[in-house]
Amino acid sequence: SAVISQKPSRDICQRGTSLTIQCQVDSQVTMMFWYRQQPGQSLTLIATANQGSEATYESGFVIDKFPISRPNLTFSTLTVSNMSPEDSSIYLCSVEVLAGGEQYFGPGTRLTVT
Amino acid sequence: AQTVTQSQPEMSVQEAETVTLSCTYDTSESDYYLFWYKQPPSRQMILVIRQEAYKQQNATENRFSVNFQKAAKSFSLKISDSQLGDAAMYFCAYRVTLRGGSEKLVFGKGTKLTVNP
Repeated sequence: SAVISQKPSRDICQRGTSLTIQCQVDSQVTMMFWYRQQPGQSLTLIATANQGSEATYESGFVIDKFPISRPNLTFSTLTVSNMSPEDSSIYLCSVEVLAGGEQYFGPGTRLTVT
Repeated sequence: AQTVTQSQPEMSVQEAETVTLSCTYDTSESDYYLFWYKQPPSRQMILVIRQEAYKQQNATENRFSVNFQKAAKSFSLKISDSQLGDAAMYFCAYRVTLRGGSEKLVFGKGTKLTVNP
């Protein structure tokens, strides 16, 4: 398994601003993932972030809106840019410890945009 | 496209009783993985159990077990001797392989489980 932390745990932001969410893992992992969970909904993958390569975005998500960094094997950031109330969600990072294994999730960041 | 369907938005069970949460999925692949995740109010996603499609034996983890019916594309979760701490949202998930070899989880909409004392 893996121990994953996220910062901040929650934030309230104004429309038009940006927020960067950090994800830290206690071991080196190849694949990290960012998910969005809108209120009362299921999880939707935003992008996959592999160290040393550009993040791969899912349909409906673009780099200009959700830039991702993956500077090393234990850390990643997701930025939510030019926020609107529709971006109010829980953002979760996850990691795959072993190739082909299960994903482990961080505690999530609850974002509210006013 | 792979889809995961959880037809029970909410379920309730009495403490110490058994409850079964249903999940069906759609795929054309023969080798894949299925998972059940639990999300309590703290919102931490916790892996409950996993099942490899090539294994005919149903996975079991303590009080949690699955009934995996590959032909029917069904993957239900049985919780025995339910405890108050089992109250949570339960998500069924299917793992798909993307272009380039990376993978992602496709989640169902979830089932909210209430455990009554």
